[in-house]
Amino acid sequence: NAGVTQTPKFQVLKTGQSMTLQCAQDMNHNSMYWYRQDPGMGLRLIYYSASEGTTDKGEVPNGYNVSRLNKREFSLRLESAAPSQTSVYFCASSESRETPYEQYFGPGTRLTVT
Amino acid sequence: GEDVEQSLFLSVREGDSSVINCTYTDSSSTYLYWYKQEPGAGLQLLTYIFSNMDMKQDQRLTVLLNKKDKHLSLRIADTQTGDSAIYFCAESNLGLSGGYQKVTFGTGTKLQVIP
Repeated sequence: NAGVTQTPKFQVLKTGQSMTLQCAQDMNHNSMYWYRQDPGMGLRLIYYSASEGTTDKGEVPNGYNVSRLNKREFSLRLESAAPSQTSVYFCASSESRETPYEQYFGPGTRLTVT
Repeated sequence: GEDVEQSLFLSVREGDSSVINCTYTDSSSTYLYWYKQEPGAGLQLLTYIFSNMDMKQDQRLTVLLNKKDKHLSLRIADTQTGDSAIYFCAESNLGLSGGYQKVTFGTGTKLQVIP
């Protein structure tokens, strides 16, 4: 039981390049999330998928797109990377109709855009 | 919108108690949480408290909730070097479409334990 896995762990991009961050969970959770973590700003929600087949914007969706490929997988795409997207990206999942709404996090992807 | 605030840094000596504080603005919070993030890892839920409770104790951890002041604290008794990490306060409410809970995280408090 691996929990939430993310690939890659590290990535360096040049401005304007594109990439997709992959996330998978094996806990049969309905809901999945993408956050970014920046120093002094905590975690900010980029996009979420409340259930398979649905996706919605979070607080900071600009410059990102997502795909909920199936119940297990939720990917985050940067179409044209910018230095402001340098951050640590976390994927999380939860069974969000069950209290206390615990979220399970992946190990993170450290992205640098030069 | 919802806001959750914490101080950024706390330093304590090994064996002392640590108290990490958090304030939040959302009066419709259902649960409040403390997550722990160790270096290079994702967040992991430490403990949580239902919004109609005042206190919860779980081994070395004590959570106190003052709903009137919207203040949450986490006390770690007998702090160990293994407790060095970033601690995030979070709250949830019915904020997402479809009736799903939205979780708002604080900025995190980095706890340094000095041997």
